[in-house]
Amino acid sequence: NAGVTQTPKFQVLKTGQSMTLQCAQDMNHEYMSWYRQDPGMGLRLIHYSVGAGITDQGEVPNGYNVSRSTTEDFPLRLLSAAPSQTSVYFCASSYSSAGGIYEQYFGPGTRLTVT
Amino acid sequence: ELKVEQNPLFLSMQEGKNYTIYCNYSTTSDRLYWYRQDPGKSLESLFVLLSNGAVKQEGRLMASLDTKARLSTLHITAAVHDLSATYFCAVNWEGGSEKLVFGKGTKLTVNP
Repeated sequence: NAGVTQTPKFQVLKTGQSMTLQCAQDMNHEYMSWYRQDPGMGLRLIHYSVGAGITDQGEVPNGYNVSRSTTEDFPLRLLSAAPSQTSVYFCASSYSSAGGIYEQYFGPGTRLTVT
Repeated sequence: ELKVEQNPLFLSMQEGKNYTIYCNYSTTSDRLYWYRQDPGKSLESLFVLLSNGAVKQEGRLMASLDTKARLSTLHITAAVHDLSATYFCAVNWEGGSEKLVFGKGTKLTVNP
């Protein structure tokens, strides 16, 4: 299993450009989430999904869109990039087990700079 | 609104010493996570604590959970340089594991 993969690893955008951060998992996990990490901050939830076709907003959703057409993929779209979106973005997936252990698996991250 | 506070935010300690990192959270939650992050890397899961009084240990790290006090601790015993990293606690938001609220992290530096 590759686990949670993210592409690209690094990206530089100009203000106003749009792009999609890719996230895929091969563990058949129900739940997937996107977080951003800024210096001196913990991770903050952007959007999440509890299954294919179902998404919802987290703490900081403005400026981002998501969709989940398959269990495996959960892309994050930046509609019109702003310097405030300069951050490291992490995708995570998890599942609910019978024992109630919800282990979260994080991807390697995408470092995005908006100039 | 769920808030998660960690302290200290920065911790410099000598090898061989013991110390505790604290994680307080503001509303009821049934799950608490501890993660480790090395510079430029992703998050590595350390512990998942599910119930009041839960205690888990791995090597020199021991985590505990007091749901009544809304407090978790991460205790470091006889620190070694390899433990230098940033440690985050996180609590599930509104019952879902797909929705975590993180503390700001504790940057631990262990000096020889």
